[in-house]
Amino acid sequence: EAAVTQSPRNKVAVTGGKVTLSCNQTNNHNNMYWYRQDTGHGLRLIHYSYGAGSTEKGDIPDGYKASRPSQENFSLILELATPSQTSVYFCASGMGQSQNTLYFGAGTRLSVL
Amino acid sequence: GDSVTQTEGQVALSEEDFLTIHCNYSASGYPALFWYVQYPGEGPQFLFRASRDKEKGSSRGFEATYNKEATSFHLQKASVQESDSAVYYCALSANTGNYKYVFGAGTRLKVIA
Repeated sequence: EAAVTQSPRNKVAVTGGKVTLSCNQTNNHNNMYWYRQDTGHGLRLIHYSYGAGSTEKGDIPDGYKASRPSQENFSLILELATPSQTSVYFCASGMGQSQNTLYFGAGTRLSVL
Repeated sequence: GDSVTQTEGQVALSEEDFLTIHCNYSASGYPALFWYVQYPGEGPQFLFRASRDKEKGSSRGFEATYNKEATSFHLQKASVQESDSAVYYCALSANTGNYKYVFGAGTRLKVIA
């Protein structure tokens, strides 16, 4: 069974602080993705990666960085968190072909106060 | 850029009612089309996909047909159950080599027993 694990599941941060969201997959998938979920917007792509060492900007990358140090791990970094980044964040992995499905983690609920 | 539009933000039905959730897309090339379902507290999970014109995807009584001319992939189910209450996302993956997945805003389905 494909497995994507996110940590932490819940996070409260202060404005201006640094936040790191972590994602681990045991599927041996090449591609990994970070989405944020907001009411009325659905899932919006922040960053994605084709493999270890690669990161690509998605549709809403401003204010976020990503890091892919290995096939299994993909992190999302908020260097200076702002209240507008309060959201639910989902990590996903996929084989890397357009017809393949994505496997999502359970999400991280982030509140920036 | 590529986009997915889901007309209904929320749908409320009674058990055994017929369900239609509308999905229209805009994309270059010939995208793969997907439906995902998200239950409370979980990440989205794959429901089914279609990859070519007139192909029907189906799973768990849900179905949708790829209509290239109308650029649509409407989700239908003949008789909904309370357990179908969830958020449904239409998505596409364009065959342009970057393997980005674009999601619609989601439709929240509530089925009343």
